[in-house]
Amino acid sequence: KAGVTQTPRYLIKTRGQQVTLSCSPISGHRSVSWYQQTPGQGLQFLFEYFSETQRNKGNFPGRFSGRQFSNSRSEMNVSTLELGDSALYLCASSLESPGGHYGYTFGSGTRLTVV
Amino acid sequence: GENVEQHPSTLSVQEGDSAVIKCTYSDSASNYFPWYKQELGKRPQLIIDIRSNVGEKKDQRIAVTLNKTAKHFSLHITETQPEDSAVYFCAASPPVDTGRRALTFGSGTRLQVQP
Repeated sequence: KAGVTQTPRYLIKTRGQQVTLSCSPISGHRSVSWYQQTPGQGLQFLFEYFSETQRNKGNFPGRFSGRQFSNSRSEMNVSTLELGDSALYLCASSLESPGGHYGYTFGSGTRLTVV
Repeated sequence: GENVEQHPSTLSVQEGDSAVIKCTYSDSASNYFPWYKQELGKRPQLIIDIRSNVGEKKDQRIAVTLNKTAKHFSLHITETQPEDSAVYFCAASPPVDTGRRALTFGSGTRLQVQP
């Protein structure tokens, strides 16, 4: 089956611009989480969506936002880009279980460079 | 919130030796502990996970142990091979019914296996 698909793979933006990243989860996975990966800070949690609702949010400024559609696809948006937003943005989907977690499956990420 | 510390940050071993990576977590309610392997330029991939009702889990050359009392868990790789070279991340998550489902990741361990 198809994995988690993230588009675009690479993006170069200018400071002050905004950007939208897309994530299509594995078919049947309704939970989608977003992480920012940088060499210095590792994997930092941005937010998690389930059935079009944001269930959890990390400690990022309001410039970072997201949403999930009825087909479970998710987008994240970063407004007023700063140089420090340059990072690999990873999306992960997981299967819900009343009994507990299943592991995340990550996409290949979108590498955002802000110049 | 949860805090996960991971050691060491870098680890170099000779091919055939064993490698051990250790993590500690702060939230005693956490009950799910996955490990991810990320090769250079690739997505993190789940290699093994353990739940709090189990003390040890093995899968061929890799094993994970969990000490709930001490709040630490470890990844053990035996008979290391050059293809084991990668960055390894541990993570922890609270129970799914708490509403705080996000995985908190450790800072990563760069493992280099010398042929």
